[in-house]
Order: sequence, then C-alpha cells, then structure tokens
Amino acid sequence: DADVTQTPRNRITKTGKRIMLECSQTKGHDRMYWYRQDPGLGLRLIYYSFDVKDINKGEISDGYSVSRQAQAKFSLSLESAIPNQTALYFCATSDYTGGDGYTFGSGTRLTVV
Amino acid sequence: SQQGEEDPQALSIQEGENATMNCSYKTSINNLQWYRQNSGRGLVHLILIRSNEREKHSGRLRVTLDTSKKSSSLLITASRAADTASYFCATVFAGNNRKLIWGLGTSLAVNP
Repeated sequence: DADVTQTPRNRITKTGKRIMLECSQTKGHDRMYWYRQDPGLGLRLIYYSFDVKDINKGEISDGYSVSRQAQAKFSLSLESAIPNQTALYFCATSDYTGGDGYTFGSGTRLTVV
Repeated sequence: SQQGEEDPQALSIQEGENATMNCSYKTSINNLQWYRQNSGRGLVHLILIRSNEREKHSGRLRVTLDTSKKSSSLLITASRAADTASYFCATVFAGNNRKLIWGLGTSLAVNP
C-alpha cells in the first residue's frame, strides 16, 4: 500500500456540486497538507494541519474547507465547485522536522464542468 | 508568496549526458529540497540539503548549495530516459514553521 493514498484518482463534477477529496497516510506523521497544481503556477498550498487540532489556511483557501478526522486522515472539500477549481490536487505529509522531506500522494485530477 | 526559481524552465538532452538544473531563492533558508514529478503524478522527494551543508550526493544526483548567492544546483549524471520528468526545488525558510515554498520546476527530457 502507498504511504499516502488519495481518492478518487480522477473526478469530473458539475459546477455548484459539493465534492470531497480524501487522503490517508500510513507514515505516522503529524503534519498533512493539501496542494493544488496548475500549469505554469506550480504547487500552491490550500490548507495544512500540524496535528489533529491544528488547521491552518494556506495561500489559496477560499472556496475550500478541510477536516482532519484523525492523525492519518485529512480531507479537502469544495463546497460549491467552480470551473477554475479544475486542477491536480495533492495531499502530502511530513514529520515535524521535515528532515525526510514530504511524502506525496498520487494526486486527484479534478475537472469541474 | 516567496518562491524559488528554477532555471532553465525546460531542458532536453541525450541519454548519457549530464543534466544541471539551478534554483535561486530570496531569503535565508533552513534547508532546500529537490523533488521529481513524473507525468503530472505525485512528487517524489529526492534529496535535502541543509543550510550548513555545501554539497550532497545520492546515487547519480549531486546537489550543491551556495547560501551567499542564495542558489542551489541539481546535477544528474549519466542521464537515462527514465529521468525524464519535472524537477522542483522547495525551500524551508527560517522561521516559517517549516512549510515548503515551491519553485515552478524544470522540465527535463532525456532522449534515447
């Protein structure tokens, strides 16, 4: 099993729909992150969580919400999807030190039509 | 937001040649990391170099860090077609809770 599992891998949804992207990890890390990747814009941080009770907004949190259900689970929701949220979404984890770098999931390719 | 900048944006070489990518950043760092991304899928951590280190090796990878110039380079020796990917540098700035700040990446094509 992958260290960081994201579901679904691909999703097409309609404008205005609520959608949830899920992430689970087996690394035992406290820190989890949600990023989106768009061509030419690189990786942008949406939300991050340093432990179960700690949730923080990233650069581009508007239109998104998150839930840290457990140390191993961190989900991202789009309350009312819009076309410019079409992107590749990544979940990642790290330990406190970051000394081993981040471990990424395989990503969710989301298309909002 | 602050970002590292990779140079070049795209690089095309022949198998067996060396590939060098550069990354510049803006403020003092705690460490700098390099990642690889194949075909728009998950990023893979390659190597981390701390601010007090100048050079690090991992297999065919060699990373250098020059804190006076605020720059790093990633050298891939004896490249293979399988090295074709995008390469990103990411920095942890001193005092920002160890969040990574990402560059926009270098796209490397290794031609057989």
